[in-house]
Amino acid sequence: EAEVAQSPRYKITEKSQAVAFWCDPISGHATLYWYRQILGQGPELLVQFQDESVVDDSQLPKDRFSAERLKGVDSTLKIQPAELGDSAMYLCASSGEWGRRETQYFGPGTRLLVL
Amino acid sequence: SQQGEEDPQALSIQEGENATMNCSYKTSINNLQWYRQNSGRGLVHLILIRSNEREKHSGRLRVTLDTSKKSSSLLITASRAADTASYFCATDRMDSNYQLIWGAGTKLIIKP
Repeated sequence: EAEVAQSPRYKITEKSQAVAFWCDPISGHATLYWYRQILGQGPELLVQFQDESVVDDSQLPKDRFSAERLKGVDSTLKIQPAELGDSAMYLCASSGEWGRRETQYFGPGTRLLVL
Repeated sequence: SQQGEEDPQALSIQEGENATMNCSYKTSINNLQWYRQNSGRGLVHLILIRSNEREKHSGRLRVTLDTSKKSSSLLITASRAADTASYFCATDRMDSNYQLIWGAGTKLIIKP
């Protein structure tokens, strides 16, 4: 069964450093989402792509976060500089299966710890 | 902002018992979905119920939707240890672009 791939699975960094997360969605899925999930809370949408275009990045802290999906396939989320409050799980999801666009398929996530 | 609110926040039951979780939301929706998240992992889609449906079944799962009360419930029958996880409801607002708004989840623990 096709899966969403994410790397790395865990990342420990010091504040003010740069970090980058990678996501490879299920083949053929046009929509890609990046979420941030703080322990004990639900996912919070950071950015949504449709193919290579940004659909919504209203909740993305653009002073330090950036996201791209240059060829409309895999995607990178970057934080520069990282702050202590960025410690969280970063989840990538994709959707776009014909007739089931509403369902999102998640990767295993990247757990970030900022020291 | 979070649209859905799950109740209870945490639930601990014996294996074999039924588990019921509730979700309330605020705005009109196209559909409501339930997802499961095992500790430290990604979310897995369980079931989707559309706004014109009142009840849906999938294996040991039963979901109800009451749009007049803006609420949904998830029933897991004959619980197993493997059902231990956090369960989230997510709503797809009518004016959204396939975006889901998530609740804070119910943490379910099944005691052997």
